[in-house]
Amino acid sequence: KAGVTQTPRYLIKTRGQQVTLSCSPISGHRSVSWYQQTPGQGLQFLFEYFSETQRNKGNFPGRFSGRQFSNSRSEMNVSTLELGDSALYLCASSSWGDTQYFGPGTRLTVL
Amino acid sequence: AQKVTQAQTEISVVEKEDVTLDCVYETRDTTYYLFWYKQPPSGELVFLIRRNSFDEQNEISGRYSWNFQKSTSSFNFTITASQVVDSAVYFCALIPSSGGYQKVTFGTGTKLQVIP
Repeated sequence: KAGVTQTPRYLIKTRGQQVTLSCSPISGHRSVSWYQQTPGQGLQFLFEYFSETQRNKGNFPGRFSGRQFSNSRSEMNVSTLELGDSALYLCASSSWGDTQYFGPGTRLTVL
Repeated sequence: AQKVTQAQTEISVVEKEDVTLDCVYETRDTTYYLFWYKQPPSGELVFLIRRNSFDEQNEISGRYSWNFQKSTSSFNFTITASQVVDSAVYFCALIPSSGGYQKVTFGTGTKLQVIP
């Protein structure tokens, strides 16, 4: 089975712009979660989607949003980028209640 | 509130040495899952193991072994005969059985450097 894929792998944006990240889960996995990883805050949960519905949400501002499509692919959007949004964004997929498998991440740099 | 502590920030070992990565956790939940992930420089978190709180049996997978002790709230990870390819950051994580992923807590990670 192919693993979790994320595109793009690297992004450079400027403050105030918006960005969309994409995640394709492992075939058959309906749950997709997003995490932000920074040196200062470590790994933090952003949100989880299951069957096109946001099931759980972490403690992030409304500038962070996401969605899931009928094929379980998910996108994450960050609007009005701030310098502090520079991070590695990781996507993970799983079957219901099972182990999460992570993708390679998208490294976002905000200038 | 739950907490996962990986007190070792960085460890350096010479190839073929054994190394143990410590993980101590705190939780009020009676049932939970513990995980170890490996993050090589490429960035991807690679799943290594999942352990249920009610299963204290130790596990061995090749050069990797895990020691789960509920009495001391520890879930330590040992690499035997380390190799350069083991160089990575290792994360321990905890999720309550009933909570969902929004309740996941990751440790701060231990960076392992294996010197040839």
